[in-house]
Amino acid sequence: NAGVTQTPKFQVLKTGQSMTLQCAQDMNHEYMSWYRQDPGMGLRLIHYSVGAGITDQGEVPNGYNVSRSTTEDFPLRLLSAAPSQTSVYFCASSLAAGGTEAFFGQGTRLTVV
Amino acid sequence: DAKTTQPTSMDCAEGRAANLPCNHSTISGNEYVYWYRQIHSQGPQYIIHGLKNNETNEMASLIITEDRKSSTLILPHATLRDTAVYYCIVRVFNTDKLIFGTGTRLQVFP
Repeated sequence: NAGVTQTPKFQVLKTGQSMTLQCAQDMNHEYMSWYRQDPGMGLRLIHYSVGAGITDQGEVPNGYNVSRSTTEDFPLRLLSAAPSQTSVYFCASSLAAGGTEAFFGQGTRLTVV
Repeated sequence: DAKTTQPTSMDCAEGRAANLPCNHSTISGNEYVYWYRQIHSQGPQYIIHGLKNNETNEMASLIITEDRKSSTLILPHATLRDTAVYYCIVRVFNTDKLIFGTGTRLQVFP
């Protein structure tokens, strides 16, 4: 059981480049979500998914796209990277809503220059 | 979603109990109280959660007031490894939305 796996761990992009942050979980969890964390701040929700084929926006969705074609994977796409997207990105998953815990990946540190 | 208020920072001596307060005065009947912590730059780690009864597990205890407007996380015997940022979050049943605040930075000293 690997839990929640994020790749890559580190990435440097140039402004305007696109890339996909990968997130995979092997726990058969229905719920998955993406957060960003800027220095000295708490995590902010970008997008989340309650199951395959269903996604919704969180607090800070602009500049990011997601899709959920399988239960296991929930990739986050940056279509045209901007310096304001420099952050640490965390993916999380949980079995179901309400009284269950969320498991977090170890993060992807993204720098946009 | 209900908002939470936590102190910015707290100190605790090693071996003593750490009591971390959280206010969530607008909490709804179907919202759970969750606690997570983040050690350095790692991904947040689940600690405990509750709806209205007090809860205890191997890591901590959670005390929720009868009106559910506030709660306290108790680490019974804090160690240096408990130094972290602790987040109190309310989470609506049937969603995966965890809305993080800025948390409490707990420093455990020798």
